Amino acid sequence: DGGITQSPKYLFRKEGQNVTLSCEQNLNHDAMYWYRQDPGQGLRLIYYSQIVNDFQKGDIAEGYSVSREKKESFPLTVTSAQKNPTAFYLCASTQLGTSGGDEQFFGPGTRLTVL
Amino acid sequence: GDSVTQMEGPVTLSEEAFLTINCTYTATGYPSLFWYVQYPGEGLQLLLKATKADDKGSNKGFEATYRKETTSFHLEKGSVQVSDSAVYFCALRPTGRRALTFGSGTRLQVQP
Repeated sequence: DGGITQSPKYLFRKEGQNVTLSCEQNLNHDAMYWYRQDPGQGLRLIYYSQIVNDFQKGDIAEGYSVSREKKESFPLTVTSAQKNPTAFYLCASTQLGTSGGDEQFFGPGTRLTVL
Repeated sequence: GDSVTQMEGPVTLSEEAFLTINCTYTATGYPSLFWYVQYPGEGLQLLLKATKADDKGSNKGFEATYRKETTSFHLEKGSVQVSDSAVYFCALRPTGRRALTFGSGTRLQVQP
């Protein structure tokens, strides 16, 4: 089955630690995205990548880093510089095309809690 | 900048009631518009979309019409079910940008 997988589902971090969230897709999509969701709020864009070895900052990139060494993988590292990292993190992907209605497919999410 | 405004929830309805969730947007150009649904503990699923003015998106009994004159994309369903209980997000994809801009979400609770 094609789709997006995220791991782990739940992640606990001590203050001062870096943690990496995994996102893998087998949809052969060009673009991948990371969003953050806080309770009662919409999703906010952290980083996105349209091709391998290239990525762009989103609206709230401070304290996060990403890499895109392979088309199917887009891991997100939450660094100790992120002051309030407790949130639900969602990865998405889309196939770039000429139409304006490119659907984004979402993974199941990772819930990160800082202890 | 681009933004999406949704009605605040929760919206509580009885089964078979009519549903409207309001969504208005601010954007330059001609954005594409989407409704996503999120069930508890899960990621988002696309519910419907519209790519140009007067387009109507529909899926699973839900409908929304792209109204450029009122910059709105309200979600409607004629008869809700308990299984429709979820959080609904309105989103837009601005012209020339690939990432989506989301509203804050509206929680729908349907009681039997």
